[in-house]
Formats: sequence, C-alpha cells, structure tokens
Amino acid sequence: AQSVSQHNHHVILSEAASLELGCNYSYGGTVNLFWYVQYPGQHLQLLLKYFSGDPLVKGIKGFEAEFIKSKFSFNLRKPSVQWSDTAEYFCAGAYNNNDMRFGAGTRLTVKP
Amino acid sequence: ETGVTQTPRHLVMGMTNKKSLKCEQHLGHNAMYWYKQSAKKPLELMFVYSLEERVENNSVPSRFSPECPNSSHLFLHLHTLQPEDSALYLCASSLYRLNTEAFFGQGTRLTVV
Repeated sequence: AQSVSQHNHHVILSEAASLELGCNYSYGGTVNLFWYVQYPGQHLQLLLKYFSGDPLVKGIKGFEAEFIKSKFSFNLRKPSVQWSDTAEYFCAGAYNNNDMRFGAGTRLTVKP
Repeated sequence: ETGVTQTPRHLVMGMTNKKSLKCEQHLGHNAMYWYKQSAKKPLELMFVYSLEERVENNSVPSRFSPECPNSSHLFLHLHTLQPEDSALYLCASSLYRLNTEAFFGQGTRLTVV
C-alpha cells in the first residue's frame, strides 16, 4: 500500500544546530511530496512541496527538502534552527490518482 | 489563518450523545476532507468530498457520518462514539481533489467520556 513514513518521533536540538528530519515514501508511481508544520495550538501549514523539476526545493522560514528518487526519500533540512521552530513536522505524499497520506509526524524541540 | 474554520474547537461528549462538527471554507476549493489525528499515529484520512460528492470512505465506522451540503461546508455527525474515538479531528480543503496542496483548519479536540 502507498504510505509515507517518518523515522524520528522526537528530535531535541539546541539553537543554531542543523536539522534533518527523515521521510521515506513507498513506491507507487508518480508522487507529489509535502512537508507540513504544526506549531503548538495552531493549524497544519505547508512548509514546502515537490511536484517535479529541481529535486531541491526551498520553503518558508529557511527550510528546504531534497527529493532523492533512488532512496525514496524526501528529507527536510534547515542549517540553523531557532527556538521558534519547535513544532511537529509532518511529511505527506499524494500518489497519482490517490489522496494525500501522512507520516506519523516528528516532534522537534529546540532548546534556547 | 488558513481560510478553513472549524467549530467547536473543543467538545466533550458522552457515549450516548449525538453531536456534529462543522467545517467552513471560503477559498473556492472543490475538495474537502476529514482527518483524524491521534497521538503518535499518522493522520488518518476519513472522508473525501469532491464537488460535494463523497468519493472516499476509508473504512470508517458508521458512528461517523459526514455531510457536505455545499462546496463551502462540511459536517461530521457523531453518535454513540467510543472512548477510543477521542482525538483531534481536522478538516482540510484543496482546490482539486488530487495532487494539490491542502489547507487545514485548527481542528476540533474531541473527548468521549
């Protein structure tokens, strides 16, 4: 079945550390990939998306993600995190002719 | 603010109660969704409406009953729920059903007692 998985359930970093959150998607044909963020008490909002073209996509707030087809991965990165990046991050995939599927989420805690 | 509004924000109900969750969007989107968010589990897609017609029901128990009276409104009717149904219920909308960005509401935190 088409699915998206996130390996890290909880990541704790200090401010200015670099961030990489893992996301893998299962094979299932054409897939569009997304990263969403949910700040405490707020709605899910889109960070970035990949449909086609340049596999390195840049999103809001300094986040970027790289689509690596050979590894079925779409990891989220940020060179230097801030305390305000504390949130839950969700990877999602929308397979061709199918609806969006989400990973379980990764909770990021950034210590000041 | 995403343009997707859910009410109520919090709901506590007994197992014999009947209640409804409401979702509203004025973004001109054609597709609307209900998701269930439980701790440490992936968001579960419950229902999909495209152009006001239900196109997917991911084996959701019949105690959850969706309704989409028009393209701007979506309801989730609840009756005889179980404590394990306690979760955050998220509504989302997108311009089209497939392969487009979804905009989410803030959710309704449901507690079944």
